[in-house]
This record gives sequence, structure tokens and C-alpha cells, in this order.
Amino acid sequence: EPEVTQTPSHQVTQMGQEVILRCVPISNHLYFYWYRQILGQKVEFLVSFYNNEISEKSEIFDDQFSVERPDGSNFTLKIRSTKLEDSAMYFCASGTVGNYGYTFGSGTRLTVV
Amino acid sequence: AQSVTQLDSHVSVSEGTPVLLRCNYSSSYSPSLFWYVQHPNKGLQLLLKYTSAATLVKGINGFEAEFKKSETSFHLTKPSAHMSDAAEYFCVVGRDRGSTLGRLYFGRGTQLTVWP
Repeated sequence: EPEVTQTPSHQVTQMGQEVILRCVPISNHLYFYWYRQILGQKVEFLVSFYNNEISEKSEIFDDQFSVERPDGSNFTLKIRSTKLEDSAMYFCASGTVGNYGYTFGSGTRLTVV
Repeated sequence: AQSVTQLDSHVSVSEGTPVLLRCNYSSSYSPSLFWYVQHPNKGLQLLLKYTSAATLVKGINGFEAEFKKSETSFHLTKPSAHMSDAAEYFCVVGRDRGSTLGRLYFGRGTQLTVWP
């Protein structure tokens, strides 16, 4: 069964550093998403991406965040200058019209120290 | 605005007994509703979705959920729990019934424990 692959599974970074979280969506999917879950809190929507542009973003997704699909297979989330409160599990997802909902990856746990 | 309340943070059942995970939602639209499951170190897997007039929705692994508009509920059930059902379950609401691709709003999750 096709999977969304996220790397790395766990990343530790120092406060103020830039971090890039990587995702390989399912190959024929056209819609891409990032969600995050801070420990003990709900899974929250960050951003959706379609046709090489952001289609929707939440209030969390400020100027410190950016997304990119640099080639035909990867979808990345960049946090420019990490804060302690960015520590969370970040989930990538992809979907396409007619698909049975999204497919999520297994997540990247980001720890900012 | 959409929101989801999962009424139990933890549910424990014995293997072979029924499972009930409760969910209430609030939506400004006619929503789409989902249940996702997350096993340890795995991604969020779609169990089932409600997007149409059929109020009883069957999903994978014997799970089903019933959409009750009058009660704004979408409870997840399974007649007989299996050890492999132990996981965290998320009730999720989407923006509108016609689309499964829009922004999703998650509940806090219910951790299901299954005792032998």
C-alpha cells in the first residue's frame, strides 16, 4: 500500500536554528498538507498546498514557516528560526480527488532545545 | 467554526467485548466526519468517513460509526475488541461534506487499551 514517508523520524535542534522537515507524498497525489501536534494537545492544521502554491494556512503558519515542493517527489516544511514552542510532532499528508481522505505520514518529532 | 470533542481520553475494554468511543462535533456547515487511528510509531490511518446520506458508516477492521445530526454525534463502535485495536483514535471534522481534501479539525484523541 502506498505510503507517505517522513524523514527524519526525530530531530533535535537548537533554538534559533533553521530546520527542514522532509516528506515524500504518494506519487500521484496533488494535495499536500502539514499538521502538528504539540505534546498533550490536539493535532492542528498548519498549511495546505496545491498546484505549487499555498491554498490555505492557519494562524500558526506565520512568517517563520515556509513550504516548498522542490522537485516532483518531495514536500518540505522549513522553520526559519526555531523556538522552544515549535517542539511538536509534525505530520505530512497527501491526497487527491476521489481518494479516500488524506494519507498521513508517521510524523517527525521535532525537539527544540 | 468546526470543533470536535472526544468525551473520553482513555477507554479500557477486555478482548472480545464491545468498543464505544464517543465523539461530538460542532460545525457551521454540513461537515464531513472521520475517524483516524494511530498505532505507536505509525502514521494516522483513516478508519472511516462520513460524507453522504448514509448515516451508518462502515470502516476497516470491523469498526463503524453512526452520524446523528440531532445529537451532533459520531460515535465509533466495534462489536468485539481485538488486542490489535489498542491505539489512539481521533475523531475529525472537515469543513464540508462534499470534500475530503479540505482542512481537518481534530479531537484530542482517545487512547484505547484492550486487556486480554
